[in-house]
Amino acid sequence: DQQVKQNSPSLSVQEGRISILNCDYTNSMFDYFLWYKKYPAEGPTFLISISSIKDKNEDGRFTVFLNKSAKHLSLHIVPSQPGDSAVYFCAASLYGGATNKLIFGTGTLLAVQP
Amino acid sequence: DAEITQSPRHKITETGRQVTLACHQTWNHNNMFWYRQDLGHGLRLIHYSYGVQDTNKGEVSDGYSVSRSNTEDLPLTLESAASSQTSVYFCASSEGDGGRAFFGQGTRLTVV
Repeated sequence: DQQVKQNSPSLSVQEGRISILNCDYTNSMFDYFLWYKKYPAEGPTFLISISSIKDKNEDGRFTVFLNKSAKHLSLHIVPSQPGDSAVYFCAASLYGGATNKLIFGTGTLLAVQP
Repeated sequence: DAEITQSPRHKITETGRQVTLACHQTWNHNNMFWYRQDLGHGLRLIHYSYGVQDTNKGEVSDGYSVSRSNTEDLPLTLESAASSQTSVYFCASSEGDGGRAFFGQGTRLTVV
């Protein structure tokens, strides 16, 4: 049973445009959500996170939106750059992240075309 | 700088052999995790530890074991390697901070 789902395996976007990556979850007890970015042959790196008490968190070109009623979050990248091309994983945790046990989605491969 | 390192980076082994993957972190984090990455499955949790002498099973723990004798290391052992365990393995560590974890660069394991 996949508790965190990323239904789009891949996404292609033109440089300078907005990239929107989506993530759905089923466990209403999740209260902390994170996005990780992964380049080939490297480990995932933390990108941005959001607590369930918020509906938006912004960091530079990256913004994460959380819709708790829909159990849905999204990552917006504006403007997209070729260096953003990578696999993006959505992750969720319980208890404010105190347990630090992250449940990951299957990932979305983002390709930003120059 | 603090870091988390995995070794080896690449490993080829035969079915039935015991294999141990190393993970060492200098963050002094209490929490350590092992994940495997497979196409179509994302990152799945194998085992995790919240401190010395503590180990817990994740969602895909069958055929794997870990031990935590100090803060810095969490080795992952495949008791009898199977072809289904061909994968890329990632070790991670964290300490509070909303679940944010730091990952190693991964070990690509091939079981032939």
